[in-house]
Amino acid sequence: AQKITQTQPGMFVQEKEAVTLDCTYDTSDPSYGLFWYKQPSSGEMIFLIYQGSYDQQNATEGRYSLNFQKARKSANLVISASQLGDSAMYFCAMREIGRGNNDMRFGAGTRLTVKP
Amino acid sequence: GAGVSQSPSNKVTEKGKDVELRCDPISGHTALYWYRQSLGQGLEFLIYFQGNSAPDKSGLPSDRFSAERTGGSVSTLTIQRTQQEDSAVYLCASSPRDRVNYGYTFGSGTRLTVV
Repeated sequence: AQKITQTQPGMFVQEKEAVTLDCTYDTSDPSYGLFWYKQPSSGEMIFLIYQGSYDQQNATEGRYSLNFQKARKSANLVISASQLGDSAMYFCAMREIGRGNNDMRFGAGTRLTVKP
Repeated sequence: GAGVSQSPSNKVTEKGKDVELRCDPISGHTALYWYRQSLGQGLEFLIYFQGNSAPDKSGLPSDRFSAERTGGSVSTLTIQRTQQEDSAVYLCASSPRDRVNYGYTFGSGTRLTVV
């Protein structure tokens, strides 16, 4: 069963505007971690931000913030003040900690294009 | 090293041949992961090593795939009798230990093409 769902294959945003990339997840484990990664055309995966299931506050890292809505099982990534260098694939991922799973499950990704 | 190093960066092989992909994790990182990324797809978990514990092989797609990690450092992923569906980018990642909130550090990957 699909654990991580990213419904937007591609997104466009104007430079300097904010954009939200959607991610929903499915788990019965009360203890889990949510991650976002950026993959530019070079292919390397770059860790952006982490949200724990018990964290009370939404995670923020610079221009990145995670809109965590636990009851809806969503963990959307918000990028503020988009830059041309933000153009890349973005992946949402989850680890189910309580089950002791060693793997991180990834969504299919969203390709973000920032327009000048 | 400064980052996770993978070699080769590109590999073209004939169907039926065996291939070995290498991953050199960040020094001191005890956890090492292999993922596979097919064209335009997300990442598929293959195998996980943590220290000297038995590896978690639950993601390996068939018995043609195997991996080992020598001395808790360098890892080699071996694909025997390669098939065209094995064509993908193989990504290696490492982390200091199995810390749940640590975002893995990934290598640049090996692009495998089976012809």
